[in-house]
Amino acid sequence: GESVGLHLPTLSVQEGDNSIINCAYSNSASDYFIWYKQESGKGPQFIIDIRSNMDKRQGQRVTVLLNKTVKHLSLQIAATQPGDSAVYFCAEKYDNFNKFYFGSGTKLNVKP
Amino acid sequence: NAGVMQNPRHLVRRRGQEARLRCSPVKGHSHVYWYRQLPEEGLKFMVYLQKENIIDESGMPKERFSAEFPKEGPSILRIQQVVRGDSAAYFCASSPPSGGLGDTEAFFGQGTRLTVV
Repeated sequence: GESVGLHLPTLSVQEGDNSIINCAYSNSASDYFIWYKQESGKGPQFIIDIRSNMDKRQGQRVTVLLNKTVKHLSLQIAATQPGDSAVYFCAEKYDNFNKFYFGSGTKLNVKP
Repeated sequence: NAGVMQNPRHLVRRRGQEARLRCSPVKGHSHVYWYRQLPEEGLKFMVYLQKENIIDESGMPKERFSAEFPKEGPSILRIQQVVRGDSAAYFCASSPPSGGLGDTEAFFGQGTRLTVV
């Protein structure tokens, strides 16, 4: 069953500010995590991933932090832009198949 | 290099009719996953298939739903005798062979939005 949840359903930020989207997961056996971005009417789009043997990974303007002690995942977006407005999902995997379990998502609104 | 292609993008069916949703994975991908998404909710896993095999159907409703991924052609998600509660967006994802490790990104299609009237 689903084991991933998000703390904040909606997040509003000012353009140029940094955004932090949080995710809690309950399965300590989860070994791989992905953040997806979903724009209205579209499918999820890969943003960044992290494996359980890491606690931080950086991409272009995005950083994912993993805290296995408290089973918490976060996505940080630097200098948020209007194009970042979307729903963000974290997804976890904890078996040998590429089957991901998704949380309910956080809607990010970027105000110009 | 085409991504995951789903069709139709929108599908309207009357209660009791059958819905057939198609998914062509990324070229070279042999793993296909179907997810269902209700409005304002996350994606719920339904089924995981490889060519000619159902690997995990733990998320599929026991009745009326079936899926296949034949040797040739797209993966098909079939919903028989649709009811209003089946209205949702259905997403397909594909991934390459993982060699048993499974740590690979899944690429998603644009989804099929099913409306049952």
